[in-house]
Amino acid sequence: KAGVTQTPRYLIKTRGQQVTLSCSPISGHRSVSWYQQTPGQGLQFLFEYFSETQRNKGNFPGRFSGRQFSNSRSEMNVSTLELGDSALYLCASSLGVRSQGPNTEAFFGQGTRLTVV
Amino acid sequence: AQKITQTQPGMFVQEKEAVTLDCTYDTSDPSYGLFWYKQPSSGEMIFLIYQGSYDQQNATEGRYSLNFQKARKSANLVISASQLGDSAMYFCAMREGGTGNQFYFGTGTSLTVIP
Repeated sequence: KAGVTQTPRYLIKTRGQQVTLSCSPISGHRSVSWYQQTPGQGLQFLFEYFSETQRNKGNFPGRFSGRQFSNSRSEMNVSTLELGDSALYLCASSLGVRSQGPNTEAFFGQGTRLTVV
Repeated sequence: AQKITQTQPGMFVQEKEAVTLDCTYDTSDPSYGLFWYKQPSSGEMIFLIYQGSYDQQNATEGRYSLNFQKARKSANLVISASQLGDSAMYFCAMREGGTGNQFYFGTGTSLTVIP
């Protein structure tokens, strides 16, 4: 069974540009969530999608957006990039949305490392 | 208040010895899940072990066990018989019943296994 696939693995962008990151969850998983990881702020929740609907959103500016397609693949977009957006962006997929019980764990991709110059 | 607190920024352990990584959590939700993830330098977060708030027994997965003390709100990870490949960052995380899939992560503990 293939794991969570994130593309691209590495990106270098210039301030002011926009970027789109892609995440393909594990087959059968309908929940996808995104996290930003930086040395200063640690792991921060961006947003979560289930069956194409955004269920939850973290405390990030509107420049950060996302969507989920009918095949559960998800994209996140960051517009007007700032230097502070440089981070590892991690996508996680899970079977459902429960907080406990079997199959409640999330599986992460290898991440996209974004550098803004 | 922090949802997840990991007070050990770095830990060292001798190969083949056991090590305990500390984690305390804060929630008023009676239904929650506690998770440990390992992050090697490659960046991928690897799921290790899970404990549900209603589970009566401590979770175990191979060399990993979770010491769950509900009254103290702690969920420490115990790694037995440490191996060189265990050197990585370890994150404790929680998912609450009321907020669905959002994980709250701690700041992590960097574990180094010494040969």
